[in-house]
Amino acid sequence: AQSVSQHNHHVILSEAASLELGCNYSYGGTVNLFWYVQYPGQHLQLLLKYFSGDPLVKGIKGFEAEFIKSKFSFNLRKPSVQWSDTAEYFCAVNADESAGNNRKLIWGLGTSLAVNP
Amino acid sequence: SAVISQKPSRDICQRGTSLTIQCQVDSQVTMMFWYRQQPGQSLTLIATANQGSEATYESGFVIDKFPISRPNLTFSTLTVSNMSPEDSSIYLCSVAAGTSTDTQYFGPGTRLTVL
Repeated sequence: AQSVSQHNHHVILSEAASLELGCNYSYGGTVNLFWYVQYPGQHLQLLLKYFSGDPLVKGIKGFEAEFIKSKFSFNLRKPSVQWSDTAEYFCAVNADESAGNNRKLIWGLGTSLAVNP
Repeated sequence: SAVISQKPSRDICQRGTSLTIQCQVDSQVTMMFWYRQQPGQSLTLIATANQGSEATYESGFVIDKFPISRPNLTFSTLTVSNMSPEDSSIYLCSVAAGTSTDTQYFGPGTRLTVL
Protein backbone atom coordinates (compact mmCIF):
# COMPACT_ATOMS: atom_id res chain seq x y z
CA ALA A 1 0.00 0.00 0.00
CA GLN A 2 1.12 3.51 -0.67
CA SER A 3 2.37 5.46 2.33
CA VAL A 4 3.98 8.77 3.16
CA SER A 5 6.50 9.27 5.96
CA GLN A 6 7.43 12.55 7.52
CA HIS A 7 10.47 12.05 9.66
CA ASN A 8 10.22 15.04 11.94
CA HIS A 9 7.09 15.29 14.05
CA HIS A 10 8.10 18.36 16.02
CA VAL A 11 10.71 20.90 14.99
CA ILE A 12 11.75 23.95 16.97
CA LEU A 13 13.92 26.59 15.34
CA SER A 14 15.06 30.09 15.98
CA GLU A 15 14.33 32.81 13.47
CA ALA A 16 16.76 32.93 10.54
CA ALA A 17 17.63 29.27 10.92
CA SER A 18 17.40 27.04 7.87
CA LEU A 19 14.63 24.49 7.59
CA GLU A 20 14.44 21.11 5.98
CA LEU A 21 11.47 18.80 6.54
CA GLY A 22 11.76 15.27 5.26
CA CYS A 23 9.09 13.45 3.26
CA ASN A 24 9.42 9.98 1.77
CA TYR A 25 6.81 7.98 -0.06
CA SER A 26 6.42 4.40 -1.09
CA TYR A 27 5.34 3.99 -4.69
CA GLY A 28 7.40 3.07 -7.70
CA GLY A 29 5.36 4.70 -10.43
CA THR A 30 4.44 8.22 -11.44
CA VAL A 31 3.57 10.47 -8.53
CA ASN A 32 2.24 13.92 -7.89
CA LEU A 33 3.63 15.45 -4.71
CA PHE A 34 2.32 18.19 -2.45
CA TRP A 35 3.18 20.16 0.63
CA TYR A 36 0.34 21.77 2.53
CA VAL A 37 0.58 24.15 5.47
CA GLN A 38 -1.87 24.82 8.27
CA TYR A 39 -1.20 28.01 10.24
CA PRO A 40 -2.68 28.20 13.75
CA GLY A 41 -6.41 28.68 13.54
CA GLN A 42 -6.44 28.62 9.74
CA HIS A 43 -7.35 26.06 7.14
CA LEU A 44 -5.04 23.93 5.07
CA GLN A 45 -3.32 25.79 2.26
CA LEU A 46 -1.32 24.50 -0.66
CA LEU A 47 2.33 25.44 -0.24
CA LEU A 48 3.73 23.90 -3.39
CA LYS A 49 3.33 20.93 -5.69
CA TYR A 50 5.28 18.82 -8.14
CA PHE A 51 3.71 17.17 -11.15
CA SER A 52 6.54 16.96 -13.69
CA GLY A 53 9.50 18.89 -15.09
CA ASP A 54 12.07 20.66 -12.96
CA PRO A 55 12.40 18.62 -9.75
CA LEU A 56 13.13 21.77 -7.74
CA VAL A 57 9.80 23.38 -7.07
CA LYS A 58 9.31 26.84 -5.61
CA GLY A 59 6.24 27.67 -3.60
CA ILE A 60 4.80 30.54 -1.64
CA LYS A 61 6.57 32.42 1.14
CA GLY A 62 10.07 31.38 0.08
CA PHE A 63 9.56 27.65 0.43
CA GLU A 64 10.94 25.15 -2.04
CA ALA A 65 11.00 21.38 -2.34
CA GLU A 66 13.13 18.99 -4.29
CA PHE A 67 11.84 15.79 -5.82
CA ILE A 68 14.49 13.07 -5.82
CA LYS A 69 13.00 10.11 -7.60
CA SER A 70 15.82 7.71 -6.72
CA LYS A 71 15.28 8.42 -3.03
CA PHE A 72 11.47 8.57 -3.19
CA SER A 73 11.76 11.89 -1.40
CA PHE A 74 10.22 15.34 -1.58
CA ASN A 75 11.86 17.38 1.17
CA LEU A 76 10.69 20.87 2.00
CA ARG A 77 13.24 23.61 2.55
CA LYS A 78 13.47 27.24 3.47
CA PRO A 79 16.81 29.01 3.90
CA SER A 80 15.70 31.36 6.66
CA VAL A 81 12.55 30.82 8.69
CA GLN A 82 10.43 33.49 10.32
CA TRP A 83 8.22 33.42 13.38
CA SER A 84 5.23 33.53 11.02
CA ASP A 85 6.25 30.14 9.60
CA THR A 86 5.06 28.51 12.81
CA ALA A 87 2.54 25.98 11.53
CA GLU A 88 1.77 22.36 10.82
CA TYR A 89 3.24 21.05 7.55
CA PHE A 90 1.82 18.09 5.68
CA CYS A 91 3.31 16.13 2.81
CA ALA A 92 0.89 14.33 0.48
CA VAL A 93 1.24 12.05 -2.51
CA ASN A 94 -1.19 11.17 -5.24
CA ALA A 95 -0.33 7.86 -6.80
CA ASP A 96 -3.40 5.78 -7.33
CA GLU A 97 -2.54 2.82 -9.52
CA SER A 98 -6.01 2.85 -10.98
CA ALA A 99 -5.57 6.47 -12.10
CA GLY A 100 -8.65 8.00 -13.62
CA ASN A 101 -10.73 10.63 -11.89
CA ASN A 102 -10.71 9.29 -8.37
CA ARG A 103 -7.06 9.74 -7.48
CA LYS A 104 -6.68 10.01 -3.74
CA LEU A 105 -4.15 11.91 -1.70
CA ILE A 106 -2.13 9.88 0.78
CA TRP A 107 -1.03 12.06 3.69
CA GLY A 108 1.90 12.09 6.03
CA LEU A 109 1.34 12.56 9.75
CA GLY A 110 2.49 16.16 9.63
CA THR A 111 5.34 18.12 11.18
CA SER A 112 4.70 20.75 13.77
CA LEU A 113 7.13 23.64 13.32
CA ALA A 114 7.63 26.23 16.04
CA VAL A 115 9.84 29.21 15.26
CA ASN A 116 11.05 31.19 18.23
CA PRO A 117 11.49 34.93 17.71
CA SER B 1 -8.36 28.34 -6.62
CA ALA B 2 -11.91 27.79 -5.42
CA VAL B 3 -13.32 29.48 -2.33
CA ILE B 4 -14.84 26.94 0.01
CA SER B 5 -17.07 27.58 3.00
CA GLN B 6 -18.31 25.17 5.62
CA LYS B 7 -21.15 25.41 8.10
CA PRO B 8 -21.14 25.16 11.02
CA SER B 9 -17.61 26.15 11.89
CA ARG B 10 -17.90 24.36 15.20
CA ASP B 11 -20.49 22.57 17.28
CA ILE B 12 -20.87 20.75 20.55
CA CYS B 13 -23.29 17.84 20.37
CA GLN B 14 -24.75 15.25 22.64
CA ARG B 15 -24.05 11.55 22.28
CA GLY B 16 -26.57 9.79 20.05
CA THR B 17 -27.54 12.82 18.00
CA SER B 18 -26.61 13.63 14.40
CA LEU B 19 -25.01 16.67 12.81
CA THR B 20 -25.05 17.70 9.16
CA ILE B 21 -22.11 19.70 7.85
CA GLN B 22 -22.47 21.76 4.71
CA CYS B 23 -19.79 22.53 2.15
CA GLN B 24 -20.32 25.26 -0.44
CA VAL B 25 -17.94 26.12 -3.27
CA ASP B 26 -18.01 29.34 -5.26
CA SER B 27 -17.56 27.56 -8.58
CA GLN B 28 -18.40 24.23 -10.14
CA VAL B 29 -15.86 21.58 -9.25
CA THR B 30 -15.23 18.10 -10.49
CA MET B 31 -14.37 16.37 -7.26
CA MET B 32 -15.44 16.92 -3.67
CA PHE B 33 -14.02 15.05 -0.71
CA TRP B 34 -14.69 14.73 3.00
CA TYR B 35 -11.86 14.22 5.47
CA ARG B 36 -11.51 13.78 9.19
CA GLN B 37 -8.60 15.23 11.14
CA GLN B 38 -8.39 13.93 14.68
CA PRO B 39 -6.25 15.68 17.28
CA GLY B 40 -2.55 15.15 16.64
CA GLN B 41 -3.18 13.03 13.59
CA SER B 42 -3.09 13.43 9.87
CA LEU B 43 -6.00 13.69 7.50
CA THR B 44 -8.10 10.62 6.85
CA LEU B 45 -10.27 10.49 3.77
CA ILE B 46 -13.85 9.52 4.63
CA ALA B 47 -15.34 9.50 1.15
CA THR B 48 -15.52 11.07 -2.27
CA ALA B 49 -18.80 12.86 -2.85
CA ASN B 50 -20.10 12.04 -6.31
CA GLN B 51 -22.55 14.34 -8.01
CA GLY B 52 -25.82 12.57 -8.71
CA SER B 53 -24.79 9.21 -7.29
CA GLU B 54 -23.80 7.53 -4.05
CA ALA B 55 -20.55 8.58 -2.42
CA THR B 56 -17.49 6.37 -2.57
CA TYR B 57 -16.43 5.45 0.94
CA GLU B 58 -12.98 4.54 2.18
CA SER B 59 -12.25 1.47 4.21
CA GLY B 60 -13.58 1.86 7.73
CA PHE B 61 -16.29 4.36 6.84
CA VAL B 62 -19.87 3.42 6.01
CA ILE B 63 -22.85 5.22 4.59
CA ASP B 64 -25.07 4.57 7.59
CA LYS B 65 -22.66 6.42 9.86
CA PHE B 66 -21.57 9.14 7.41
CA PRO B 67 -24.29 9.73 4.83
CA ILE B 68 -23.20 12.18 2.14
CA SER B 69 -25.16 14.13 -0.38
CA ARG B 70 -23.99 16.03 -3.44
CA PRO B 71 -26.98 17.41 -5.29
CA ASN B 72 -24.94 19.62 -7.65
CA LEU B 73 -21.39 20.64 -8.59
CA THR B 74 -21.04 23.30 -5.90
CA PHE B 75 -22.55 21.80 -2.76
CA SER B 76 -22.23 18.75 -0.54
CA THR B 77 -23.25 17.67 2.94
CA LEU B 78 -21.78 15.19 5.37
CA THR B 79 -23.87 13.87 8.25
CA VAL B 80 -22.24 12.35 11.30
CA SER B 81 -24.91 10.02 12.65
CA ASN B 82 -25.52 8.61 16.12
CA MET B 83 -22.49 10.42 17.43
CA SER B 84 -20.18 9.23 20.16
CA PRO B 85 -17.23 11.01 21.79
CA GLU B 86 -14.92 9.15 19.38
CA ASP B 87 -16.43 11.22 16.56
CA SER B 88 -14.99 14.39 18.06
CA SER B 89 -12.77 15.71 15.32
CA ILE B 90 -12.32 18.34 12.66
CA TYR B 91 -14.23 17.51 9.49
CA LEU B 92 -12.88 19.00 6.29
CA CYS B 93 -14.33 19.43 2.87
CA SER B 94 -11.95 19.63 -0.07
CA VAL B 95 -12.38 20.11 -3.79
CA ALA B 96 -10.36 19.38 -6.88
CA ALA B 97 -10.99 21.57 -9.87
CA GLY B 98 -9.59 23.08 -12.97
CA THR B 99 -7.22 21.48 -15.41
CA SER B 100 -5.55 19.46 -12.70
CA THR B 101 -7.96 17.50 -10.60
CA ASP B 102 -5.06 16.25 -8.51
CA THR B 103 -4.66 19.48 -6.55
CA GLN B 104 -7.08 19.73 -3.67
CA TYR B 105 -8.20 22.88 -1.93
CA PHE B 106 -9.64 22.81 1.55
CA GLY B 107 -12.43 24.46 3.41
CA PRO B 108 -11.95 25.93 6.90
CA GLY B 109 -13.23 22.80 8.61
CA THR B 110 -15.90 22.03 11.18
CA ARG B 111 -14.72 21.37 14.70
CA LEU B 112 -17.06 18.85 16.31
CA THR B 113 -17.09 17.99 19.99
CA VAL B 114 -19.33 15.17 21.18
CA LEU B 115 -20.12 14.99 24.88
